[in-house]
Amino acid sequence: EVQLVQSGAEVKKPGESLKISCKGSGYSFTSYWIAWVRQMPGKGLEWMGIIYPGDSDTRYSPSFQGQVTISADKSISTAYLQWSSLKASDTAMYYCARLDRGWLDYWGQGTLVTVSS
Amino acid sequence: QSALTQPASVSGSPGQSITISCTGTSSDVGSYKYVSWYQQHPGKAPKLMIYDVSKRPSGVSNRFSGSKSGNTASLTISGLQAEDEADYYCSSYTSSSLLAVFGGGTKLTVL
Repeated sequence: EVQLVQSGAEVKKPGESLKISCKGSGYSFTSYWIAWVRQMPGKGLEWMGIIYPGDSDTRYSPSFQGQVTISADKSISTAYLQWSSLKASDTAMYYCARLDRGWLDYWGQGTLVTVSS
Repeated sequence: QSALTQPASVSGSPGQSITISCTGTSSDVGSYKYVSWYQQHPGKAPKLMIYDVSKRPSGVSNRFSGSKSGNTASLTISGLQAEDEADYYCSSYTSSSLLAVFGGGTKLTVL
């Protein structure tokens, strides 16, 4: 069974750093891209970027380029999304999902990130 | 890049059919088969309902169907049921960013 399990909710202060994770199981982790998707409170879905764990090839949506870093450790089947300096506007639910060609077929349960002073 | 355009809300009675549109451009919906649709219930992760414009993943009811004409894709739900009440998002590959883009989402209310 394909599963993506994300790390737990985080509460951070502005300016702090953060790295959240997404662990894949039940399939060849290195053979599929992993996407990160943001959903701000009460808002729609936004593509942030994707990573191919097989070779760490990474692509970012223009809105997120330079704002976050996507990485992966294929030895433990885990993808990451990180911030070096959080802002209040980063408060959102973040989902990872498996990208099969052009669609997201399996999703993680989401990680809620709250940034507040 | 701009999101694909969806109606903010649609509604229908049980048993009826509804259609949600998703309008893009020749850089996304109009040029690629990678159009997909997702259902999201409150507090839940999105779920893939349609991929490659009109294909259904295993386990998705055949009441859900997808199509495309020009720069507009559509999701049709027939025989509406109370459990279909949710938010629906379309997505398409886009050559603008070599990635993908979502629509703004449509809230479906089953009356």
